[in-house]
Amino acid sequence: EVQLVESGGGLVQPGGSLTLSCAASGFTFSGYWMHWVRQAPGKGLVWVSRIHSDGSSTSYADSVKGRFAISRDNAKNTLYLQMNSLRVDDTAVYYCVRGRGYDSAYYFDYWGQGALVTVSS
Amino acid sequence: QSVLTQPPSVSGAPGQRVSISCTGSSSNIGAGYDVHWYQQLPGTAPKLLIYANSNRPSGVPDRFSGSNSGTSASLAITGPQAEDEADYYCQSYDRSLSTWLFGGGTKLTVL
Repeated sequence: EVQLVESGGGLVQPGGSLTLSCAASGFTFSGYWMHWVRQAPGKGLVWVSRIHSDGSSTSYADSVKGRFAISRDNAKNTLYLQMNSLRVDDTAVYYCVRGRGYDSAYYFDYWGQGALVTVSS
Repeated sequence: QSVLTQPPSVSGAPGQRVSISCTGSSSNIGAGYDVHWYQQLPGTAPKLLIYANSNRPSGVPDRFSGSNSGTSASLAITGPQAEDEADYYCQSYDRSLSTWLFGGGTKLTVL
């Protein structure tokens, strides 16, 4: 059974930093691109970042570029999201998500339960 | 405002057919990028419902179906059940923005 379990969420002041982790199990972690998707309270889903299966390339939404860094440790089956210079509008539930498919048919087939990040003074 | 546009809410009674639209543009759905649908039950994480326009993952009831045409896609629920009350999101890729996109979400109420 595929499982994605996030941890590391919490309350942080504006300008602060936080690192989220996602422990993966039940599949060959090193064979999949992985993503972070966030959802602000009462709002919709927004793609945040992705990392290649071997960690060789990454991409980010414009709203987090230069502040967030995605990484992975395939030996530990773990995905990370380092978040710096946090802003109030970064407040959201952050989901660890597995990607599947190719080119024009790419989707997100498994989601973690989410980690709440609250940025407030 | 989302690049993929969905109605904020829809409703229907068991025995009826409910449809949720997802309208995009020539840089996403119209460019040939597939549309996928997710169901988010209250207080839970999203779950893949339909992938590649019309395919159901194992375990998804066949009352859910998807289709697309031109720059739009639709999710149909034939005979919605009380347990189907949830938020539904469409998703695709935009080649101009070089990003994966979600629609704004549609809340389904079963009457």
